[in-house]
Amino acid sequence: DVVMTQSPLSLPVTLGQPASISCRSSQSLVHSDGDTYLTWFQQRPGQSPRRLIYKVSNWDSGVPDRFSGSGSGTDFTLKISRVEAEDVGVYYCMQGTHWPRTFGQGTKVEI
Amino acid sequence: EVQLVESGGGLVQPGGSLRLSCAAAGFTFSNYALNWVRQAPGKGLEYVSGISSDGGSTYYAKSVKGRFTISRDNSKNTLYLQMGSLRAEDMAVYYCARVQTSSYDYWGQGTLVTVSS
Repeated sequence: DVVMTQSPLSLPVTLGQPASISCRSSQSLVHSDGDTYLTWFQQRPGQSPRRLIYKVSNWDSGVPDRFSGSGSGTDFTLKISRVEAEDVGVYYCMQGTHWPRTFGQGTKVEI
Repeated sequence: EVQLVESGGGLVQPGGSLRLSCAAAGFTFSNYALNWVRQAPGKGLEYVSGISSDGGSTYYAKSVKGRFTISRDNSKNTLYLQMGSLRAEDMAVYYCARVQTSSYDYWGQGTLVTVSS
C-alpha cells in the first residue's frame, strides 16, 4: 500500500499568519492517465471530512482562496495564506492513484 | 443538494454482524461510484470498501476482505455494507462517500459502530 506521511502532525498557528502542511507519498502519485490524484480534506471538530483541494491544486466550490495546494510526484503541500479561526481542525491528504486509497495521519491545526 | 445519510450503526458483540445503509439524494445515484471510509475514535481516516456505479465491481481493504460485503440498490438510491465477524478494531464511525475524480466530494454524517461484549 502507498504510505502517505504528513508533517507536522500538530501545527500551532497565529490568526492572520500563513501555515503550511506537507504530505509525502511512498510512490509517485502520477496516474497512467497523466493526472495526479492527491486530495486535501479538512475535518472540523465534530464534523465529517470536507474536500478542499483535488488533483493537487483544484479548489472545490465554496473553498476560500486562502487555501492552495501544490506539488508533484511524491511531494505535496497545502498552504493557508492567512489563518482564520474557522480553519481549526484536522487536515488529511489522500491519494486516489493507487489501490487501496490511503490517507495521511492527519495534521491538527490549532490556534 | 447532495445528501448522504448513513444508518444502522450500534452496539454489537465481537463476532457479530451488522448492516449499514447509506441513503442518497440530490444526484443521479446510478452515475457514481461510492465508498465506505471509517474513523476509529480519535484516529485518522481509513478506506474500507468501494463499489462501481453499476455495482459490477467491488473493492475491499485487506483488513475487512472476506468479512465485509458492499452492495448497492440503484432503484432505492441506497448503499450497503454488510459487516460480519466483527472485531474490536472495527469499532469506528463509518462514512459513506461519493467518488468523484478518484476522490470524495461528498460525505455523510457517519454512523458509529461499537464492538464490545
